[in-house]
Amino acid sequence: KQEVTQIPAALSVPEGENLVLNCSFTDSAIYNLQWFRQDPGKGLTSLLLIQSSQREQTSGRLNASLDKSSGRSTLYIAASQPGDSATYLCAVPNSGGSNYKLTFGKGTLLTVNP
Amino acid sequence: GAVVSQHPSRVICKSGTSVKIECRSLDFQATTMFWYRQFPKQSLMLMATSNEGSKATYEQGVEKDKFLINHASLTLSTLTVTSAHPEDSSFYICSAKALTDTQYFGPGTRLTVL
Repeated sequence: KQEVTQIPAALSVPEGENLVLNCSFTDSAIYNLQWFRQDPGKGLTSLLLIQSSQREQTSGRLNASLDKSSGRSTLYIAASQPGDSATYLCAVPNSGGSNYKLTFGKGTLLTVNP
Repeated sequence: GAVVSQHPSRVICKSGTSVKIECRSLDFQATTMFWYRQFPKQSLMLMATSNEGSKATYEQGVEKDKFLINHASLTLSTLTVTSAHPEDSSFYICSAKALTDTQYFGPGTRLTVL
């Protein structure tokens, strides 16, 4: 059974700092890996999706890397801003097709202080 | 990006009543919809997967007679919590998937059972 772990559980940084969030998964035979953002009491916003054949994906100040063999992914946030404060979740699916189920980590609660 | 809505966003009900939550894909046809539950400071836990026109597939430990799921069209799925009790109080989130791997999440429904 796939297990997803995120470290740290919470992180507080001053504005402008670069930071890295970590995600690890126990079954390296993943189809892809997705990073989400969740604001308090809200749903999820997809940030980046990395296919299993890719090493990294970039969107603006965000860069996600994937190392399947070691079961790890990182989300790098450059020049953090107070608006980046949220919970960041990573998730992996069990397979493609119609039975596409996501297993989520517990998330990292990020606070960026002005 | 694709938009998924949920209604209501917040509901408070008395113990023993039934509550229906709607999930709609607004600008795409969702072949598959997923229902998740999230307890405070916990990650999302998949409850069930529903494909349009067929019965939902429930995850282990989720009572299908208590959490009724209907996926009557390619843009609408409903979750009915029957005979709700205080332990059913949670944040319920749906997601919708089309032909690609990306799941689009709704904003969530906060259910409080008194």
